[in-house]
Amino acid sequence: RKEVEQDPGPFNVPEGATVAFNCTYSNSASQSFFWYRQDCRKEPKLLMSVYSSGNEDGRFTAQLNRASQYISLLIRDSKLSDSATYLCVVRPGSFQKLVFGTGTRLLVSP
Amino acid sequence: EAGVTQFPSHSVIEKGQTVTLRCDPISGHDNLYWYRRVMGKEIKFLLHFVKESKQDESGMPNNRFLAERTGGTYSTLKVQPAELEDSGVYFCASSQDIGSAYEQYFGPGTRLTVT
Repeated sequence: RKEVEQDPGPFNVPEGATVAFNCTYSNSASQSFFWYRQDCRKEPKLLMSVYSSGNEDGRFTAQLNRASQYISLLIRDSKLSDSATYLCVVRPGSFQKLVFGTGTRLLVSP
Repeated sequence: EAGVTQFPSHSVIEKGQTVTLRCDPISGHDNLYWYRRVMGKEIKFLLHFVKESKQDESGMPNNRFLAERTGGTYSTLKVQPAELEDSGVYFCASSQDIGSAYEQYFGPGTRLTVT
């Protein structure tokens, strides 16, 4: 079983749509949670950290459910520029390494 | 401020040859990480330096891989001898400090193809 599981997609949505991505992680000792964005043939870039209380950054909302070991990302009012791969990332325990999911590809069309 | 840089951007070598990848972290970042993504798989951690010391090398696949960070500045990752399964994108990342408050900034990666 992978440490971080994501639906690979692709998710094809029209501009203005709301789209939700889900992720589960297996290590209950995980301490930090993130969503990264990766454009085609580019490096991953931090989109947002995910906190237990849930957090929002503009059109993006992230939520964490520690009991279910589940992380989500909601994107409202999708833009063409949101097309990318969204990586669910977890930092297990006291280690500094990041554990990545395979990513969910989003395609926003006009 | 310059970001993380990696050299070369692409490398094509034959099986059995040696390749050395270089990473220059963001200036002042003591923490340097190597990751790689092989085709169709997730990005996986290789190792973590704090300054010149290896803090965690649990992700290094085997002894054909050697990472160094002499002087605590740039780092090199040598693959010797390269095998077909080593093909992939090798990312370097750096962070100012450790902990969730400190973002790991990724370089553009080196795309390694072993033929």
